[in-house]
Amino acid sequence: GESVGLHLPTLSVQEGDNSIINCAYSNSASDYFIWYKQESGKGPQFIIDIRSNMDKRQGQRVTVLLNKTVKHLSLQIAATQPGDSAVYFCAEDWGGNQFYFGTGTSLTVIP
Amino acid sequence: EAGVAQSPRYKIIEKRQSVAFWCNPISGHATLYWYQQILGQGPKLLIQFQNNGVVDDSQLPKDRFSAERLKGVDSTLKIQPAKLEDSAVYLCASSSGLRVWDTQYFGPGTRLTVL
Repeated sequence: GESVGLHLPTLSVQEGDNSIINCAYSNSASDYFIWYKQESGKGPQFIIDIRSNMDKRQGQRVTVLLNKTVKHLSLQIAATQPGDSAVYFCAEDWGGNQFYFGTGTSLTVIP
Repeated sequence: EAGVAQSPRYKIIEKRQSVAFWCNPISGHATLYWYQQILGQGPKLLIQFQNNGVVDDSQLPKDRFSAERLKGVDSTLKIQPAKLEDSAVYLCASSSGLRVWDTQYFGPGTRLTVL
């Protein structure tokens, strides 16, 4: 099947800095994307979503950008905090609320 | 609101043995999912239920995996017989429906180790 993948497997940032996590997708027909956060020993947790008719969506301290031309998603986390340390996944809707997940990026926040 | 419950949290078995996992979704959620998450990878959907019916099980290895949701609430996932490559975290998720904006809520998972 087609793949959803991340450019960087690991990312380390200083507390208070902004973080940017990237994701490439290959299915140009995908209509909906979600970013999930997964902390150690827990299941993925919804962070923010975006539809294909948008190029930007903002939440609390998080922003998702969608570039359909190059099939690229990014998640920006403002003022990164130690509690943001986790693995972040982008997921791509394939219909019927079924999602294909990328490999994930491990974010480490350095105090 | 209580989240998705799963048990056991950990299980260690030998290859060729059988194992079963249990999931209790969020109350009122019609849609239930089982995912397999191999270490270092994203979750992969195994099966999706709507109430007690299967919506999609195209990625479920049916020669050894089975799942049921008889009364449209709790669900069990079984592996018989287990192989080494089945070592993974098995995640259960539930959502209120099948629309893309019906957020999936995940349980903590069951970590299976096959020796």
